[in-house]
Amino acid sequence: DIVMTQTPLSSPVTLGQPASISCRSSQSLVHSDGNTYLSWLQQRPGQPPRLLIYKISNRFSGVPDRFSGSGAGTDFTLKISRVEAEDVGVYYCMQATQFPQNTFGQGTRLEIK
Amino acid sequence: QVQLVQSGAEVKKPGASVKVSCKASGYTFTSYGISWVRQAPGQGLEWMGWISAYNGNTNYAQKLQGRVTMTTDTSTSTAYMELRSLRSDDTAVYYCARLRFLEWSTDYWGQGTLVTVSS
Repeated sequence: DIVMTQTPLSSPVTLGQPASISCRSSQSLVHSDGNTYLSWLQQRPGQPPRLLIYKISNRFSGVPDRFSGSGAGTDFTLKISRVEAEDVGVYYCMQATQFPQNTFGQGTRLEIK
Repeated sequence: QVQLVQSGAEVKKPGASVKVSCKASGYTFTSYGISWVRQAPGQGLEWMGWISAYNGNTNYAQKLQGRVTMTTDTSTSTAYMELRSLRSDDTAVYYCARLRFLEWSTDYWGQGTLVTVSS
């Protein structure tokens, strides 16, 4: 099974400053159809998860453009250009390339300094 | 607007079964799938599987094979997840989410259903 490893596990950030979360997979996430099915989700305290990014870098509807995704193969990054108070929560990467078994990363907690 | 509304909290004894419902609205139910994800207290997300609302095809996480069944009722746009032979480590919040097959992403999520397994 593909293992997804996120770093850091906790990220204290100053308001208005950038933040970056890394996600590394144990195998390439390039599917045989040429796509890479890597998503990022945000879970605010007490809330269900929310889709931010799909297929590495596509922002979902309504997601602020301060969120961006990048990467390829086994290494992926979620960046927040300027952290706002509402960004506090846990961020997960998820792979759906290894059909049919999807896998989440262990989560990265974003907190304000 | 797209909404997924889940059934209420459940308390079950070890060995029992639970069936969680997820009623969809605001979109064509049969054009998407439904994924199920659970989250044990204070833990991360665990993928459980998905079902196509179009043809009923399913895929389950290997660790749950034989204990989980996912179904849909297209007449009511409702998805169901049944978990049998419950153990204490099945205590978790269970989420349903709409699955977009084209991008293999889960875009709208239910509010979650807490299932507590305790003797």
